[in-house]
Amino acid sequence: DGGITQSPKYLFRKEGQNVTLSCEQNLNHDAMYWYRQDPGQGLRLIYYSQIVNDFQKGDIAEGYSVSREKKESFPLTVTSAQKNPTAFYLCASLGQGATQPQHFGDGTRLSIL
Amino acid sequence: AQKVTQAQTEISVVEKEDVTLDCVYETRDTTYYLFWYKQPPSGELVFLIRRNSFDEQNEISGRYSWNFQKSTSSFNFTITASQVVDSAVYFCALSDPLWAGSYQLTFGKGTKLSVIP
Repeated sequence: DGGITQSPKYLFRKEGQNVTLSCEQNLNHDAMYWYRQDPGQGLRLIYYSQIVNDFQKGDIAEGYSVSREKKESFPLTVTSAQKNPTAFYLCASLGQGATQPQHFGDGTRLSIL
Repeated sequence: AQKVTQAQTEISVVEKEDVTLDCVYETRDTTYYLFWYKQPPSGELVFLIRRNSFDEQNEISGRYSWNFQKSTSSFNFTITASQVVDSAVYFCALSDPLWAGSYQLTFGKGTKLSVIP
């Protein structure tokens, strides 16, 4: 089945540690997005990429980094500079021309140890 | 700047009641998409509907219906004869203007719906 796979489902980070969240899609979508969700809040855009080897900052990019070396993959690294990383992270993808809505993964829940 | 307001933070209804979730949006552009997503307790986002700003026809899909009024910048969602399985957080979202080509979404803070048996 085509879809988006996010891993791991749960992730724990120690103070001062970088962690990487995986997002893989087999939908042949060009654009990919990372959102952060805090309790009682809507989703906020961290980074997005419309094409391989190119990505743009969203509204809350500070403390995060991404790469887009392959069309299928858009990993998100939460760096030690992100002082409040505890949140639910959702990855999404979108096909060219946006004929379909953004398709979301199941999310990764990140907590601080 | 784009903004989506879902004024209802939490709603509780008894099963079989009808319930309307409100969504008001702000944008300076004339071409955009509006969305509703459902987030059950498991966390994934389930797409419900997308509306083009040019299409103000109301839509019905089973027990779900949507009322889009451009004049009041509202895109409300009604569930008829609610069921326990409808319990979830519902998000309204607004896309960037279509000419921008980025299709970024601005989300409201969500409305948590609890349907009591």
